[in-house]
Amino acid sequence: DTAVSQTPKYLVTQMGNDKSIKCEQNLGHDTMYWYKQDSKKFLKIMFSYNNKELIINETVPNRFSPKSPDKAHLNLHINSLELGDSAVYFCASSQPGGHEKLFFGSGTQLSVL
Amino acid sequence: GESVGLHLPTLSVQEGDNSIINCAYSNSASDYFIWYKQESGKGPQFIIDIRSNMDKRQGQRVTVLLNKTVKHLSLQIAATQPGDSAVYFCAETGSGSARQLTFGSGTQLTVLP
Repeated sequence: DTAVSQTPKYLVTQMGNDKSIKCEQNLGHDTMYWYKQDSKKFLKIMFSYNNKELIINETVPNRFSPKSPDKAHLNLHINSLELGDSAVYFCASSQPGGHEKLFFGSGTQLSVL
Repeated sequence: GESVGLHLPTLSVQEGDNSIINCAYSNSASDYFIWYKQESGKGPQFIIDIRSNMDKRQGQRVTVLLNKTVKHLSLQIAATQPGDSAVYFCAETGSGSARQLTFGSGTQLTVLP
């Protein structure tokens, strides 16, 4: 009964590959997010979707492309992976009408070799 | 952009003592603040929040204090337990229409036996 679930938990891949991370929330929230956490634990927003529409797109390389097939899912596709993409990626969601209290998934640790 | 910062990156306390984690924020227009707890291998978890029209809010064993004059936020944990060991983040919501959360850099709390 996980509220925000993302897969895979760990992702190890070679430079230049393309990979996807999936996220699903069963909280009925309208807004979903992707955050990146670096090795120093700093959390930075990448994207925000409200009801399948992109509302926040921070300065992220266009190799990163979010896809929201419906408001319960927000997937992250990464093309041509680079060493600097290694990080923990968190999916999150928030209640309708608010972009404030976030509920996070357990993270995907991406290691690019 | 404006950022949220923390005074101390690490904090060690004896089990049973009270813990105080501090946070300085720079956006005077922020009107909502949240503390998150992140245990190893997990996503950030909501602990407590406070709006700018309050200066104190209490939860179960936790209290958040807000001093808008000096733009300072603190999280107090009473009778700290081993399960409280984690990284704690403060986050603020700016006053813009997107109201996205900006996270501080985190404090690692270690509870000593």
